[in-house]
Amino acid sequence: QVQLQESGPGLVRPPQTLSLTCSVSGGSINGDIDYWTWVRQAAGTGLEWIGRLEYIGTSTYNPSLESRVTISVDTSRNEFSLRLTSVTAADTAVYYCGGTTKNYVRALDVWGRGTTVTVSS
Amino acid sequence: DIQMTQSPSTLSASVGDRVTITCRASQTVFHWLAWYQQKPGKAPRLLIYKVSSLETGVPSRFSGSGSGTEFTLTINSLQPDDFATYYCQHYYAAPRAFGQGTKVEIK
Repeated sequence: QVQLQESGPGLVRPPQTLSLTCSVSGGSINGDIDYWTWVRQAAGTGLEWIGRLEYIGTSTYNPSLESRVTISVDTSRNEFSLRLTSVTAADTAVYYCGGTTKNYVRALDVWGRGTTVTVSS
Repeated sequence: DIQMTQSPSTLSASVGDRVTITCRASQTVFHWLAWYQQKPGKAPRLLIYKVSSLETGVPSRFSGSGSGTEFTLTINSLQPDDFATYYCQHYYAAPRAFGQGTKVEIK
């Protein structure tokens, strides 16, 4: 079945750009998974929805991050990515990628294991 | 933006108990409501989608109900594996917000 794996630097210096990749295995990003989503979780807190990109090309973002966030897809590499600019310590969190493998579900039925990103100088 | 509020924040229960968690939306999300379970150090796991549909492989002791702005997750006969944090999420429109979570602890 489809599996996701996040990758990227564990440490980012402010105010640089955070870039993470979500690799899709066990299926094709072009048809086996949709609603390519990023969610983050700061230590000891709840889940924060960052945004998503749909197969049809529509992207939507959390207004609190919208000016700094881009989600993109590379179908040739079977992966999608998160780019967050001008990071601060408040962006320190575990970042998860997720998606939907069953269109009738539309919620996040597959998740990566998460990757920890620390923002510190 | 639609805000999601869960109650309680923490719940103490014993194995075998019936547990109910409430999630309220600041405006209608129709039937676009999901529940997730998260254990420490792990990714969330989808339990229920579209208010009451059980995800494949999820035990039948989990159930969801509600409509519009008020929803509940019920766990019948709580099992040791169920002690975790539970989140609701609406996916009606962006931002697809999560509730703040409900931690189910051992009493």
